[in-house]
Amino acid sequence: EAAVTQSPRSKVAVTGGKVTLSCHQTNNHDYMYWYRQDTGHGLRLIHYSYVADSTEKGDIPDGYKASRPSQENFSLILELASLSQTAVYFCASSLGGYSYEQYFGPGTRLTVL
Amino acid sequence: GDSVTQTEGLVTVTEGLPVMLNCTYQTAYSDVAFFWYVQYLNEAPKLLLRSSTDNKRTEHQGFHATLHKSSSSFHLQKSSVQLSDSALYYCALRVQGTGSKLSFGKGAKLTVSP
Repeated sequence: EAAVTQSPRSKVAVTGGKVTLSCHQTNNHDYMYWYRQDTGHGLRLIHYSYVADSTEKGDIPDGYKASRPSQENFSLILELASLSQTAVYFCASSLGGYSYEQYFGPGTRLTVL
Repeated sequence: GDSVTQTEGLVTVTEGLPVMLNCTYQTAYSDVAFFWYVQYLNEAPKLLLRSSTDNKRTEHQGFHATLHKSSSSFHLQKSSVQLSDSALYYCALRVQGTGSKLSFGKGAKLTVSP
């Protein structure tokens, strides 16, 4: 069974503060993704990466940075957290190729106050 | 760009009755795969069904879907729903050569009532 873990599982942050969400996978997958989930919007892609030390912008990258220091690890960074970034964040990994599924981590519930 | 339009919002069905969640798509690519993901309360999304073959029925956990490229659809169906089917369902497509990104629909929350 593919394994993707995320930390922390929940976090409360203050407006204007810096937040780092971490993701670790043991699947030996090249592709990793960060999504946010909001009611009424579903899952939206923030950043993704297909090789270590390189990241790509997804559909809603504004206000977020990403870092992929190794194949196994992928971080999402909110330099200046805002109220609108309150959401559940999911990390996922997959093999390349369009027919492969993505495996999701358990999610991080972020509340910005 | 690629897009997915699916049944959205709340869908309530009585236990034992059938359900169909609609999913249609737009893409200019031919190398495309389609997925239904299911997300139970407080869990991560996980794969329910996938297909990349036109007119072939795919089944899992009593659910089935058939990709129809002629109508750009991949509807999810079940003939008799159970209480345990209550969950959030997402339709998604993935295209070759675009960073292997998934394009998700907005999701449908299925509630099965006794």
